[in-house]
Amino acid sequence: DGGITQSPKYLFRKEGQNVTLSCEQNLNHDAMYWYRQDPGQGLRLIYYSQIVNDFQKGDIAEGYSVSREKKESFPLTVTSAQKNPTAFYLCASSMNGQNYGYTFGSGTRLTVV
Amino acid sequence: GDSVTQMEGPVTLSEEAFLTINCTYTATGYPSLFWYVQYPGEGLQLLLKATKADDKGSNKGFEATYRKETTSFHLEKGSVQVSDSAVYFCALSDDTGRRALTFGSGTRLQVQP
Repeated sequence: DGGITQSPKYLFRKEGQNVTLSCEQNLNHDAMYWYRQDPGQGLRLIYYSQIVNDFQKGDIAEGYSVSREKKESFPLTVTSAQKNPTAFYLCASSMNGQNYGYTFGSGTRLTVV
Repeated sequence: GDSVTQMEGPVTLSEEAFLTINCTYTATGYPSLFWYVQYPGEGLQLLLKATKADDKGSNKGFEATYRKETTSFHLEKGSVQVSDSAVYFCALSDDTGRRALTFGSGTRLQVQP
């Protein structure tokens, strides 16, 4: 079955450490996205990519970085510059175009210890 | 910029009650509108969508009608079940600019037996 896989499900980061969250899809979708969800809040867009080797900043890109070297993969690195990284991170993919909804992964919960 | 406003929760209902979750939006152009559902600890799932004015999206007994005159996309269900307990997100995709989804803050629904 096609789908989108995020790993790990839980991740713990020490202060000053960079961590990378994995997102892989086998849906042949062109576009991929990273959102951050804080308790009781909506989703905020971090980065998105509509084509391989190209990506754009979302609303809260500071302290994060991404790459899109393959169509199937869109990893997110949370750097030490991100001051408050504890959150639930969601990856999604879609066909390009306004009318297509997203397929979401099951999320990664990142906690700073 | 684009924005989505949802009624605050939690919304608490008894089983078989009628559900309405209000959603209004602000957007340039002619957006597509979506409802997503999130169960605890999981990613979001597309519930329904509407891509033009007066369209009605429906799925699993849920319905929402795209009202351009009132810029609204309210979610309704005639008879809720305990299994409908979740967080519901309204979202839009604009036909200009970045075409990434903009989400509302979510509404938690609790259905009691």
